[in-house]
Amino acid sequence: AQSVSQHNHHVILSEAASLELGCNYSYGGTVNLFWYVQYPGQHLQLLLKYFSGDPLVKGIKGFEAEFIKSKFSFNLRKPSVQWSDTAEYFCAVNKKDDKIIFGKGTRLHILP
Amino acid sequence: DVKVTQSSRYLVKRTGEKVFLECVQDMDHENMFWYRQDPGLGLRLIYFSYDVKMKEKGDIPEGYSVSREKKERFSLILESASTNQTSMYLCASSLSPRQENTEAFFGQGTRLTVV
Repeated sequence: AQSVSQHNHHVILSEAASLELGCNYSYGGTVNLFWYVQYPGQHLQLLLKYFSGDPLVKGIKGFEAEFIKSKFSFNLRKPSVQWSDTAEYFCAVNKKDDKIIFGKGTRLHILP
Repeated sequence: DVKVTQSSRYLVKRTGEKVFLECVQDMDHENMFWYRQDPGLGLRLIYFSYDVKMKEKGDIPEGYSVSREKKERFSLILESASTNQTSMYLCASSLSPRQENTEAFFGQGTRLTVV
């Protein structure tokens, strides 16, 4: 079955640490890739997206992600996290003409 | 800005009741989705619709049905609510996947408790 795997369920970091959250998917062929974020008490919002072109994608709040087709991966990175980055992060994938499938999420907790 | 509005933020229903969750989007999106969000399980797709009166089952459709009579409105129906349907329900909409910009926009969610 087609799936999205997020490697870490819960990550705890100190402020200014670097962040990398892993995401792998099992679809073949052309895909659209997303990272969504859910801050405490808020709705899901788009952090960044990849449709085509440059595999290094920059999103809001200093986040970026790199699409590596050969590894079926779309890892999220941020060089220096802030306390306000505490949230749950979801990787998502869809193929053209298909539904959007989400990973199980990674809870990120930043220590002040 | 795209707005996806869910009719209720919190609902408490009794076991066996018929429950309607309503969702409206204002951006003329073709696709609409219903997910449930549970701790440790992420977002699981219940149903989605890619056009009026069209619907497709997601990964966990059992115990649910949907209705899409108008393009802007997508309803989730729990025919006979059970305690294992206590969850956060999220509605989303997006443009057709045949177009480039297929990101989903989410509503605030409805936290349903079945007692």
